[in-house]
Amino acid sequence: TQLLEQSPQFLSIQEGENLTVYCNSSSVFSSLQWYRQEPGEGPVLLVTVVTGGEVKKLKRLTFQFGDARKDSSLHITAAQPGDTGLYLCAVPLPGTASKLTFGTGTRLQVTL
Amino acid sequence: DTEVTQTPKHLVMGMTNKKSLKCEQHMGHRAMYWYKQKAKKPPELMFVYSYEKLSINESVPSRFSPECPNSSLLNLHLHALQPEDSALYLCASSQYGGSYEQYFGPGTRLTVT
Repeated sequence: TQLLEQSPQFLSIQEGENLTVYCNSSSVFSSLQWYRQEPGEGPVLLVTVVTGGEVKKLKRLTFQFGDARKDSSLHITAAQPGDTGLYLCAVPLPGTASKLTFGTGTRLQVTL
Repeated sequence: DTEVTQTPKHLVMGMTNKKSLKCEQHMGHRAMYWYKQKAKKPPELMFVYSYEKLSINESVPSRFSPECPNSSLLNLHLHALQPEDSALYLCASSQYGGSYEQYFGPGTRLTVT
């Protein structure tokens, strides 16, 4: 059983469209991170959310942490080909300071 | 400087070879990590070093041997690997003390023949 389930698993859209990626769990977390990984590269940290209901914006990306701190969403406005990649949510395992567990991942492809 | 570097970028090795992967960071981070990532899967934690001491070993086979020579360097020694060990090996670092934000290197693409 995966601690973090992401949906959808794969998304193929055209440039200019909007999309939302979800990261869900039945557990409560102290914080949650989103990473983007491009093919052949390591994941790059996009944001960390720590407060229930928190919303953070990074240019065309909007991240929200659920009120109960069990889930999160990532919304991309007017997607561009440069947004293509694997989007991963990640949380520290309860009781550990350094051990991250990653979600199942959402693979996004944006075409012209 | 928020860069983690890894060498080599690609590695092909036979099952009887011995090789090493290297990772370096100059951010003053005191925790360093090795992850293994198979195609289309999320990274899976292998080892965690904290203050240059091994703090977590996720039941990794002994053919993988980590080493942390100093606070900036992390090595992964490989010996007698199997074809199923072919994967992207990622190194990451984070500032110890409750910070969970990890910075990843670009990875080493390993192929075992």
